[in-house]
Amino acid sequence: QQQVKQSPQSLIVQKGGISIINCAYENTAFDYFPWYQQFPGKGPALLIAIRPDVSEKKEGRFTISFNKSAKQFSLHIMDSQPGDSATYFCAASYTGKLIFGQGTTLQVKP
Amino acid sequence: DVKVTQSSRYLVKRTGEKVFLECVQDMDHENMFWYRQDPGLGLRLIYFSYDVKMKEKGDIPEGYSVSREKKERFSLILESASTNQTSMYLCASGTGFLEQYFGPGTRLTVT
Repeated sequence: QQQVKQSPQSLIVQKGGISIINCAYENTAFDYFPWYQQFPGKGPALLIAIRPDVSEKKEGRFTISFNKSAKQFSLHIMDSQPGDSATYFCAASYTGKLIFGQGTTLQVKP
Repeated sequence: DVKVTQSSRYLVKRTGEKVFLECVQDMDHENMFWYRQDPGLGLRLIYFSYDVKMKEKGDIPEGYSVSREKKERFSLILESASTNQTSMYLCASGTGFLEQYFGPGTRLTVT
């Protein structure tokens, strides 16, 4: 009930391509869904977040798509760049605690 | 910019030792958190604190304790380190619970 399942574990994309990372959850009480980005040697940093009353949120090249009925949400990175190479974590929250997914290591090849 | 600093980037300790991990934030945040990060498991919450001297257990508190004597400082204590506590430890802070600012992490190896 408390888990957030993230896939794929790793992803390789060519420069300019679209990177897609998926997350699924069971607990319908979750009310906030952020994505964090972590570069090697650094802590995670908030990238973008969505609440379940909207189906999509876009910030620059990063878009969250949210499907409430399927209990799934995904991160799309358009025009992926080598500088986007990092580990990405989805998360879900209710009562304040963040439950993180397992992480996806993205490599964008030049 | 929010700054969360952790006392060590790398730490090697022996089984049975008492280990202190220190975290300091400079943004006057009420809430502070300790997570451990393991490959394939993501980040798991160990403890959090919403005020000085206040603490709450997270999802995996066994084998750990915490101390928050000052608002800016949150310490994680491993009373008797074990090899299964070898991990990356991340500290975070925030005004609320939803947007958390993370430190760079301490990679702890217990031998």
